[in-house]
Amino acid sequence: SSELTQDPAVSVALGQTVRITCQGDSLRNYYATWYQQKPGQAPVLVIYPKNNRPSGIPDRFSGSNSGNTASLTITGAQAEDEADYYCYSRDSSANLLGVFGGGTKLTVL
Amino acid sequence: EVQLVQSGAEVKKPGESLRISCKASGYSFTSNWIAWVRQMPGKGLEWMGIIYPGDSDTGYSPSFQGQVTISVDKSISTAYLQWSSLKASDTAMYYCARHLGPRVTGFFDYWGQGTLVTVSS
Repeated sequence: SSELTQDPAVSVALGQTVRITCQGDSLRNYYATWYQQKPGQAPVLVIYPKNNRPSGIPDRFSGSNSGNTASLTITGAQAEDEADYYCYSRDSSANLLGVFGGGTKLTVL
Repeated sequence: EVQLVQSGAEVKKPGESLRISCKASGYSFTSNWIAWVRQMPGKGLEWMGIIYPGDSDTGYSPSFQGQVTISVDKSISTAYLQWSSLKASDTAMYYCARHLGPRVTGFFDYWGQGTLVTVSS
């Protein structure tokens, strides 16, 4: 089982705001990174530590942290945002190891 | 432009050996960790292990320790993932990814296109 816990599936109406969460002990000490993966494609970085966005990622994507929970918020979700989203951080028992959350399938209705 | 180009799809039989590759370009290969990530069919991403090409310092997830070997050839800016005896359960897509920043606080910023490994008798 993953040490980072995500809801398996979330849905959002087109143009509305959705929050995807990631829980884990390591998030008390380390920022999360977020990846978007569309079917048949490699993951793409959307949020990196300290809640920064890479160039080319729309500003409707934002990240935040509180306690043991990291969140990815999409403000005004678009059809093209439908994808799997994975959080990434450190293993809580061995910080030299990385760990991914189980992933959240986002459906845009 | 940073690029990670992985070797092509493989179909193997159980018990066979295999090495897949990830050729880096567009940056100083020896200055960034590179990791391997497994994605089994219809499943999520799994962190397998990581290597620092500068000195070949390597770390493995306990789930993959002893099951695979990660290595590099600095002379050709290429990282490898190797199996000595494949199992059907190794069937998956394998991604390499460049790690930006320190090993503990960094993250993956560029990914290869993936190599599909199919193990079937």
